[in-house]
Order: sequence, then C-alpha cells, then structure tokens
Amino acid sequence: DVKVTQSSRYLVKRTGEKVFLECVQDMDHENMFWYRQDPGLGLRLIYFSYDVKMKEKGDIPEGYSVSREKKERFSLILESASTNQTSMYLCASSPQKSSSYEQYFGPGTRLTVT
Amino acid sequence: AQSVSQHNHHVILSEAASLELGCNYSYGGTVNLFWYVQYPGQHLQLLLKYFSGDPLVKGIKGFEAEFIKSKFSFNLRKPSVQWSDTAEYFCAVNGILEGFKTIFGAGTRLFVKA
Repeated sequence: DVKVTQSSRYLVKRTGEKVFLECVQDMDHENMFWYRQDPGLGLRLIYFSYDVKMKEKGDIPEGYSVSREKKERFSLILESASTNQTSMYLCASSPQKSSSYEQYFGPGTRLTVT
Repeated sequence: AQSVSQHNHHVILSEAASLELGCNYSYGGTVNLFWYVQYPGQHLQLLLKYFSGDPLVKGIKGFEAEFIKSKFSFNLRKPSVQWSDTAEYFCAVNGILEGFKTIFGAGTRLFVKA
C-alpha cells in the first residue's frame, strides 16, 4: 500500500526559529512535492524535486528551502519562521513512469508560528 | 500559466440530492485532470482522473466527471449524495508541457445533511 509519512502532525514554533519538516515515502517514487494548504486558497506548490539532489521552485518558494539527499526523503526548511507561515503543510509523491502524474499525499503537518 | 477555478467554495446538500461541482482550467495544451477529496481528518486522496480516452470518467464511491475540452471544464458529479460524502473536493490540472507540476483549485467544501 502506498504510504507517505510526515514527521509531525502538529508543530508549534516561535518566530525566528529554524523549522524542519520531514517527509518519507516508501513507493520508490522519483517525484516529491511540498505544498501549503490554506482555507480558500487550496494547495499551493512550494518546491518539488524530480530526483535526488534536484529541486525546483514552485509558486511560493520565498522563505522556504528544501533538501533531498535520499530518494525516499524530502525535507522542507523554514530558515526563520514567521507568523505568515502558519499553515497546513502537505507532502506528496508521484512516480515518473506514470502517464497521469497522480500524486499520493501524506497526512499533513499543521504548523503554528507564534 | 496554468490556473484552476472552482465555482463554489461551499455547498450544502441534503442526502439523496444530486451533486455537481464545477471546475474550469486555463491551459492551452494537453492536460491531465484530477479530482482529489479530503475527508475530515484524513489524507488528501485521488477521487478520479482523466488523462486520455473516454471523456467521462468514473471514480470511487459513485463519483464521475466529464472532460469537455471545448469548455476547458472537468465537472464532478454524483447522482445521489450521502452524509459520508461530506468533505473538501479539489480539482487539479497537470499540463503535459509543465512536466510534473500540478495546479490545484481553491477547493469546495461539501456538507451533506443527514
């Protein structure tokens, strides 16, 4: 069964802290994605990666960075957390060989920055 | 650039009512189209997808969607909703020339009254 896991379901951090969100998938997928989900805005792509050590900016990369050292793991980093980064963060993966690029999602991490 | 528009942000229906959620996209080339669903407290999961062939696609739990290329639409339908269909529904589009990047709509929250 396809599985994407995220390191925390809930996280509370202070303004200015460095925050790491971890995502692991066990399907041997090449592509991995980080989104943030906000009410009324849907899912917005922050970064994605199509191979180890490769990354591409999404629509809202400002204030974020990513790391992909291993195929199964994709980390999202908030270098200096700010209150406007309070959100639900979703990780997803998809196989490159798929003709339709459907994505498989993790449970999400609800981050609150105070 | 790709974009996705969902017509309704909130829909309230009684059980057994018919459902149609509108989705329009903006992209000039070949597309893959998706509807994802997020039940309360659960992961975002694929409901159905279109990537080629019959423009009327059937998904899980009695949902279907019709791709109308001339209208750039991919509306979701269900003849008779159940209380358990209460969820948030997201339309998404992947333009073939955009590679792995998928754009999501803002979402529609459906509440079904028992």
